Amino acid sequence: AQSVTQLDSHVSVSEGTPVLLRCNYSSSYSPSLFWYVQHPNKGLQLLLKYTSAATLVKGINGFEAEFKKSETSFHLTKPSAHMSDAAEYFCVVRGGYSTLTFGKGTMLLVSP
Amino acid sequence: DVKVTQSSRYLVKRTGEKVFLECVQDMDHENMFWYRQDPGLGLRLIYFSYDVKMKEKGDIPEGYSVSREKKERFSLILESASTNQTSMYLCASKLDPTSGRFHEQFFGPGTRLTVL
Repeated sequence: AQSVTQLDSHVSVSEGTPVLLRCNYSSSYSPSLFWYVQHPNKGLQLLLKYTSAATLVKGINGFEAEFKKSETSFHLTKPSAHMSDAAEYFCVVRGGYSTLTFGKGTMLLVSP
Repeated sequence: DVKVTQSSRYLVKRTGEKVFLECVQDMDHENMFWYRQDPGLGLRLIYFSYDVKMKEKGDIPEGYSVSREKKERFSLILESASTNQTSMYLCASKLDPTSGRFHEQFFGPGTRLTVL
């Protein structure tokens, strides 16, 4: 079975500083991995996806993630946080029948 | 743009009532999904359907059933609502795996259900 573990339930950063949201995965085969974002009272939006192409994946709004097989990690980063980045972020792994298994989420708080 | 709509944003029901949550997508997607979202638990898959009249149990199907009579519509049914089913319910859809963008699920805005 596939699973993901988001290592932090909350991350706080100051505007203009780097963002790191950590995710480890477990999969019995080569995984497809995703990051979704959910802004307050908004729907879920796909940030980026890894499907066995380049290990460094670029997404929307300046986010990127690096797939590291040796570390079973797929951490999400952004060089400089913006106030509008405050949201909940979910690391996701694809399962059977193209279903998705979500992590428990990381709430990103951005202070001025 | 893909559009996934859900019949209600907020719903309040009483224990024991039968509850229907409706989801409609307008992009001719084959696959549709129902999740519930609870704080600290992320999203958990309740049921999914990969074609009309087809359904599969997800990770937490107990207390729920689904119906897919038409391709664009996927209904979640709570046969006898209980207070532990108070949650945010999210519907999603996506193209069949044979298409080029088969991995992306598109989500609706959610229905916040409160069972009293």
